[in-house]
Amino acid sequence: DTAVSQTPKYLVTQMGNDKSIKCEQNLGHDTMYWYKQDSKKFLKIMFSYNNKELIINETVPNRFSPKSPDKAHLNLHINSLELGDSAVYFCASSHLGRSHNEQFFGPGTRLTVL
Amino acid sequence: ELKVEQNPLFLSMQEGKNYTIYCNYSTTSDRLYWYRQDPGKSLESLFVLLSNGAVKQEGRLMASLDTKARLSTLHITAAVHDLSATYFCAVKRTQGGSEKLVFGKGTKLTVNP
Repeated sequence: DTAVSQTPKYLVTQMGNDKSIKCEQNLGHDTMYWYKQDSKKFLKIMFSYNNKELIINETVPNRFSPKSPDKAHLNLHINSLELGDSAVYFCASSHLGRSHNEQFFGPGTRLTVL
Repeated sequence: ELKVEQNPLFLSMQEGKNYTIYCNYSTTSDRLYWYRQDPGKSLESLFVLLSNGAVKQEGRLMASLDTKARLSTLHITAAVHDLSATYFCAVKRTQGGSEKLVFGKGTKLTVNP
């Protein structure tokens, strides 16, 4: 199936821990994104990578560190997790330069910090 | 800073009725998207609107874009229960050669039998 996939789907952890979320797309896109959706369903972009290069870095605590080993993968590592990090994190991908540049979203990772 | 406002944020309607969701944005953009999100699910792309006057229709949903008024509408015709979901508009913002989407807060639509 062509898609954007994320692992894990659910992540429950204690405050202070470090965790990673992985994202892969097989759509041949050159740009990948991380979004955070809070408890009120508000969606906000965190990071964007184009061809493995960071192009968008919104005001996000530096405990969050994205890594893109190649165009098809974008991982998110979070250090010293805090209660406020609890949210659903969505990965998305698109192809910059195409007229639509439609973003396709992964299934989301629900992170709960206790 | 680009701001995107949707209204209403909550919409409860009866099956068979028509209604419109509005999306206003604060600065010029040439691309607007509508997404649907079912509870606990991902975002599904519904429409991409690229130019002033663009109108797209899919089933009971029709989206339009007025770039001069900075307004997009999502019109629901003869609503059915299956349309119950949260609908987001998102506006493209170009920033230093990169593009990002700025989302509205979403409209939670409940269609009652």
